[in-house]
Amino acid sequence: GAVVSQHPSRVICKSGTSVKIECRSLDFQATTMFWYRQFPKQSLMLMATSNEGSKATYEQGVEKDKFLINHASLTLSTLTVTSAHPEDSSFYICSARQFMNTEAFFGQGTRLTVV
Amino acid sequence: GDSVTQMEGPVTLSEEAFLTINCTYTATGYPSLFWYVQYPGEGLQLLLKATKADDKGSNKGFEATYRKETTSFHLEKGSVQVSDSAVYFCALSGGDDKIIFGKGTRLHILP
Repeated sequence: GAVVSQHPSRVICKSGTSVKIECRSLDFQATTMFWYRQFPKQSLMLMATSNEGSKATYEQGVEKDKFLINHASLTLSTLTVTSAHPEDSSFYICSARQFMNTEAFFGQGTRLTVV
Repeated sequence: GDSVTQMEGPVTLSEEAFLTINCTYTATGYPSLFWYVQYPGEGLQLLLKATKADDKGSNKGFEATYRKETTSFHLEKGSVQVSDSAVYFCALSGGDDKIIFGKGTRLHILP
């Protein structure tokens, strides 16, 4: 099946710094990518949807200036957590979908810890 | 808006027991329905899917049937194994291109 690679798998950063998470579709062109946040023992909360070459659409309550999403190519999307704070610590997961395909493929997730 | 409701866990079963995890949905139109599985510390993997009413998705002994009349997509397996221990998410994808997840059901299988 299709592979989505997310990097890094774990990152620890200091409060106030920015962290970039990459999501790559390795063997298909991802016209749409999704970013989710997962709190411990809870479901995935959709943060934003991005289509290649256009601005991301953020869900209500998600700060777009804090969570910067870039989908500059058909195989790469990035999520940058700016000025991170301990409350941003979470598990972030990306998924990618090919045009006209209902199925989305997920990255392995990134565990972000802000200290 | 669209939503997914699934039974809360954790669900604890003995090996070889029969498994059912209930899932119902609310959506306009005709969504596609999915079950995803998440093993500890990992991302999500698609387990099975169904794209139209009465379709049955199946994989690794798991099955789920798209029931439009009851807006349900219950996950079943006839004989579970310890390796099936994970969190299972029911999800839908509607006309707005988003994938909406249920809260997840944690499954523990005892040897």
